[in-house]
Amino acid sequence: DVKVTQSSRYLVKRTGEKVFLECVQDMDHENMFWYRQDPGLGLRLIYFSYDVKMKEKGDIPEGYSVSREKKERFSLILESASTNQTSMYLCASQLMGGGNGYTFGSGTRLTVV
Amino acid sequence: QQPVQSPQAVILREGEDAVINCSSSKALYSVHWYRQKHGEAPVFLMILLKGGEQKGHDKISASFNEKKQQSSLYLTASQLSYSGTYFCGTGHFKAAGNKLTFGGGTRVLVKP
Repeated sequence: DVKVTQSSRYLVKRTGEKVFLECVQDMDHENMFWYRQDPGLGLRLIYFSYDVKMKEKGDIPEGYSVSREKKERFSLILESASTNQTSMYLCASQLMGGGNGYTFGSGTRLTVV
Repeated sequence: QQPVQSPQAVILREGEDAVINCSSSKALYSVHWYRQKHGEAPVFLMILLKGGEQKGHDKISASFNEKKQQSSLYLTASQLSYSGTYFCGTGHFKAAGNKLTFGGGTRVLVKP
């Protein structure tokens, strides 16, 4: 069964902390994405990557960075967590090509206090 | 800019039909549809590509109108398992990293 695994289901961090969210996929997918999900706003793209060491900004990259050192792993970094970054974070992967859907992880609910 | 989904919510009785619309202000190359149940990850339903045909998945089907820059998802003879939030994701480029912009979602509740 193909999988996208996010390391934590729930996370509570303090304002100003550096936070790492990890995502691993076992499908050998080229494309990986980080979205945040907030009620009424749907899913908003933070960053994406279509190859190792490659990254591109999404629609709301401010306050975030990413790392993709290996094909299967895509990390989201909150440089200095703030309360407005409290959200559900979803990682997704996709086989390269326009006709393929995303496979999502189960999400990490991050609370910044 | 996010695509606009309508309606925001719909309540159905088992066996009834519903239509969910997804409209974009930009030219579309692809439209994805996903369903998310409470507390779970979104699950891919289907993808429609520019120049493609209407797609179907069990009794859930979708159409893609390039001229109107919109897609519609049809829930036919709804089942209890169809409950959840439906998201459309729009892609605007035929490129390797075809990022999607998602709509705000449509909550569907199917009652017995």
